[in-house]
Amino acid sequence: QIQLVQSGPELKKPGETVRISCKASGYTFTTAGMQWVQKMPGKGLKWIGWINTHSGVPKYAEDFKGRFAFSLETSASTAYLQISNLKNEDTATYFCARYGDYGGAMDYWGQGTSVTVSS
Amino acid sequence: DIQMTQSPASLSASVGETVTITCRASENIYSYLAWYQQKQGKSPQLLVYNAKTLAEGVPSRFSGSGSGTQFSLKINSLQPEDFGSYYCQHHYGTPFTFGSGTKLEIK
Repeated sequence: QIQLVQSGPELKKPGETVRISCKASGYTFTTAGMQWVQKMPGKGLKWIGWINTHSGVPKYAEDFKGRFAFSLETSASTAYLQISNLKNEDTATYFCARYGDYGGAMDYWGQGTSVTVSS
Repeated sequence: DIQMTQSPASLSASVGETVTITCRASENIYSYLAWYQQKQGKSPQLLVYNAKTLAEGVPSRFSGSGSGTQFSLKINSLQPEDFGSYYCQHHYGTPFTFGSGTKLEIK
């Protein structure tokens, strides 16, 4: 069965960098893109962007350009989200989700990774 | 970017009732609209894609409708497990914007 398993919770200080992993199983990794979503406490879902797992080309929403970066380790069927120069307002749960067979709708989701930024 | 306006922000309903959540796109997105359910502390779950197609395993009491700029998610005969938050999201060209969400409380 298809699964996306994310790395564990992170506690970071402002200015630090965090990297979240998302390991896929149950399908061929390079046949479906990976999307990333932010859920801040008490707020709604926000689309960060997606990465084409075949070409490695990323696409970011405007609000997430600059400090947010996607990468891949195709041999390990793993996608990464790196956030650099962390700010308090980056405190959120981050989800990876498969760019499924339905034209962009996210059919499988990781369990989420909590990132807390505090001095 | 396409903006998604979702309403209501919250609603409370009893088991057995029918509820409808609406979503409006700022421009024509044809039928590229998905609905998700998220329960507290859990990952979102895909309910509907392409405006009206139920995702695998989703109960038939859920239904999606609409096209162009106006969409709705209807839940017939509410069950206790239907509480949670619901989000629409367009999937017609990036960025794939979400609506602001609807929190459904079961009375």
